Amino acid sequence: GIQVEQSPPDLILQEGANSTLRCNFSDSVNNLQWFHQNPWGQLINLFYIPSGTKQNGRLSATTVATERYSLLYISSSQTTDSGVYFCAVEGRETSGSRLTFGEGTQLTVNP
Amino acid sequence: NAGVTQTPKFQVLKTGQSMTLQCAQDMNHEYMSWYRQDPGMGLRLIHYSVGAGITDQGEVPNGYNVSRSTTEDFPLRLLSAAPSQTSVYFCASSYGGIHSPLHFGNGTRLTVT
Repeated sequence: GIQVEQSPPDLILQEGANSTLRCNFSDSVNNLQWFHQNPWGQLINLFYIPSGTKQNGRLSATTVATERYSLLYISSSQTTDSGVYFCAVEGRETSGSRLTFGEGTQLTVNP
Repeated sequence: NAGVTQTPKFQVLKTGQSMTLQCAQDMNHEYMSWYRQDPGMGLRLIHYSVGAGITDQGEVPNGYNVSRSTTEDFPLRLLSAAPSQTSVYFCASSYGGIHSPLHFGNGTRLTVT
């Protein structure tokens, strides 16, 4: 099946810093989504982005499907951005059925 | 709208016991799914449903059953709990199938002793 690799596995920032999280995938995808899991365990959908670029406030995401990667940018980070960021893809093999998740990037933003 | 509601939030079972994790959504979403989250392994799909009366297996279906009698509800049954099923379970739904943003419930933390 499709493989999803996220980097870096851990990231520690000072409040106000910018960061880039990366998601690489091993095959063509129909669908790619980014999620944030906050310290209380809640999973929030950030972006549905199979291709192109989207922005939502301080967060933006870019997917280059032909090169099999996606990037999540966090600008002017805040302590509330802490948590785990997951990338999930719908591979062509399992089209219509499931998202395959990466192992996530643990982000800690210190005041 | 309540979104995706999971109950209970916490549960402790003894090996061999059975139980049902409840999931309900009020967004008229066709697609519903169950994931388990284990440390260092991300989220893995257990079962999913693309509509009422239709279910299928995901990546790790053994030891679990599901049914989808209504659009709103998608319960997950543990037939005979094992310590390996200790995990956090998430229910998720989306409108129009997997090709739409996925919305998660708040999770059920299950411990099997």
